[in-house]
Amino acid sequence: KNQVEQSPQSLIILEGKNCTLQCNYTVSPFSNLRWYKQDTGRGPVSLTIMTFSENTKSNGRYTATLDADTKQSSLHITASQLSDSASYICVVLKAAGNKLTFGGGTRVLVKP
Amino acid sequence: DVKVTQSSRYLVKRTGEKVFLECVQDMDHENMFWYRQDPGLGLRLIYFSYDVKMKEKGDIPEGYSVSREKKERFSLILESASTNQTSMYLCASSSLTLGSQGYTFGSGTRLTVV
Repeated sequence: KNQVEQSPQSLIILEGKNCTLQCNYTVSPFSNLRWYKQDTGRGPVSLTIMTFSENTKSNGRYTATLDADTKQSSLHITASQLSDSASYICVVLKAAGNKLTFGGGTRVLVKP
Repeated sequence: DVKVTQSSRYLVKRTGEKVFLECVQDMDHENMFWYRQDPGLGLRLIYFSYDVKMKEKGDIPEGYSVSREKKERFSLILESASTNQTSMYLCASSSLTLGSQGYTFGSGTRLTVV
C-alpha cells in the first residue's frame, strides 16, 4: 500500500531553534515529493518540490532532503520564527496513475 | 459518506471558450483547492480559498480565476481556454485544522481544449 508517514505529529520548539521533520514513503514508482506549509485557516503553500535526482533543495530557511533509495525525506527549519508555526505536509506523487499521497502533516508550534 | 463532487468527469472545449469547472463539498470544510495535474509535473495548485469570498493564488494562477460565493462551492474559471490548459483538474477540500486524513479530492475533470 502506498503510504506517506510523517513524524512527529506535532512539535513545539523555541523561537530561534532548529528542527527537522521526517517523511517516509512507500509510494512507488516515485515521481516527486513536496513539502507544503499550511498556516491555520489558509491553504497550503509549496515550500519545495524534489524529483528523484535531487538530494537537497532550499527555500530560505527551509531545506528539504530526499533519499530516494531509502524513500525518506526531511524538512529542516533553521532559526525558527514565530511565523513558522504551521502544519507541514509531505506529498508524494506516484509516477503512474497520477496518484497523490499526502502525509498526515506535522504541526509545528514556535514559542517565543 | 462525505464527498467532493466535481460537476464533469470529461469536458471538451474550443480555444477561446469560457469554461467553468464546478466543485461542491458536503463536509462543511473551510478550505477548498483547485489543482491541475499533468504527467511529469505532478499536482500544481492553481487557487485556493479558505473562506467564502476569499481566495489566494497558488503556484500557477495565470489564465484562471475562481469564485467562492458559498462555502460548499468553489468554481474554477478559464476566461479564454487555450490548448495548454488541457489537463486533469482536481478539486480538494480540507477542514480548518489539518487532520490525519489530509485533503479530500474530487474525482477530477479531464479537460481537453481543441
